[in-house]
Amino acid sequence: TQLLEQSPQFLSIQEGENLTVYCNSSSVFSSLQWYRQEPGEGPVLLVTVVTGGEVKKLKRLTFQFGDARKDSSLHITAAQPGDTGLYLCAGVNSGGGADGLTFGKGTHLIIQP
Amino acid sequence: KAGVTQTPRYLIKTRGQQVTLSCSPISGHRSVSWYQQTPGQGLQFLFEYFSETQRNKGNFPGRFSGRQFSNSRSEMNVSTLELGDSALYLCASKSRSGFEAFFGQGTRLTVV
Repeated sequence: TQLLEQSPQFLSIQEGENLTVYCNSSSVFSSLQWYRQEPGEGPVLLVTVVTGGEVKKLKRLTFQFGDARKDSSLHITAAQPGDTGLYLCAGVNSGGGADGLTFGKGTHLIIQP
Repeated sequence: KAGVTQTPRYLIKTRGQQVTLSCSPISGHRSVSWYQQTPGQGLQFLFEYFSETQRNKGNFPGRFSGRQFSNSRSEMNVSTLELGDSALYLCASKSRSGFEAFFGQGTRLTVV
């Protein structure tokens, strides 16, 4: 069974600070996705990383896929209260085909004004 | 275009009952997956359907079942409900060529 471990589980910081959350696995995934989920809503895809060592930037969010395609990180610069939410990483087990996504348990992020 | 629609949004059921949840995918999407989300276990994959066929199944007991109709709408059924089945049930649809899963808002099931 492929597992994704996310850390930290909870993180509460002040507005303007930087933070990094991690997603680690002992298994190799063909690609990895990051989602953000707000209360009462379903997860919304932020990014998909496919190539080992890949770095993608989305405004103040920087996503990195490990060289061995087993781990990933999400770095947020100058966090804002609107960044509050549950951040989930998900491993894609095959070429977007029949297998379901394997999710980590998520990082609950609270940005205090 | 309209997103993924799940109905109902909230349900309260009694132990031993059964429940049926519905999911309408994004128009044109033929893949529908179901997930269970709980505070302790996070998001866990239940099953995926494509063109009315179950393509993959997660590690859940046989009380959890699903089906997909010719218009790609999907239903999942849970029989003989247990307290531990209380969870947010999420449905996601994907296009044939896409990696991105588009999630609905979920159905919050409470078993009492």
